[in-house]
Amino acid sequence: GIQVEQSPPDLILQEGANSTLRCNFSDSVNNLQWFHQNPWGQLINLFYIPSGTKQNGRLSATTVATERYSLLYISSSQTTDSGVYFCAGDNSGGYQKVTFGTGTKLQVIP
Amino acid sequence: SAVISQKPSRDICQRGTSLTIQCQVDSQVTMMFWYRQQPGQSLTLIATANQGSEATYESGFVIDKFPISRPNLTFSTLTVSNMSPEDSSIYLCSVEMQGSGIQYFGAGTRLSVL
Repeated sequence: GIQVEQSPPDLILQEGANSTLRCNFSDSVNNLQWFHQNPWGQLINLFYIPSGTKQNGRLSATTVATERYSLLYISSSQTTDSGVYFCAGDNSGGYQKVTFGTGTKLQVIP
Repeated sequence: SAVISQKPSRDICQRGTSLTIQCQVDSQVTMMFWYRQQPGQSLTLIATANQGSEATYESGFVIDKFPISRPNLTFSTLTVSNMSPEDSSIYLCSVEMQGSGIQYFGAGTRLSVL
């Protein structure tokens, strides 16, 4: 199966700072998604972004499928952005097996 | 999107017992999945719950340990059988909305085995 590496593994930000999270895939992927897991464990789908760029408020994501990576940008970070960010994708033609990345644990301090 | 209700939200169980986790979706979905998240780790797919047929298990997971039911297009259960402390994890149900490729998750079940 595909390997999904995320960087950095841990990140501490001052409130108001910007950051970029990266996701690298070992093979081409379909259905690339970004998730945020809050401190209570709930996973929220942030972006479905198999290619191109999308923006949602202070968050934006870019996927360069040909180079097998995706980026998540967080601007003007807030304490509520704390948690773990996962990217995930599948490369199973016809049978969807989603593989999750290793995660980036973000802590935003006031 | 989908509203996914997962029960129980947490439980503390004794070694050797079994726990059944329920997942209810507010709309019919073709694809339902069960994941395990061990402490401090990423998510690992346990199985795909297929309506009307046996679940499809991933490598390292077997039906005797994690039996799954999928009686209809809105409901599934996962049982963690003969539990040991190593089964202490968060178990999550997810669905894919009708061929969209987008997955949504329940709130998860935090299981602690003593």
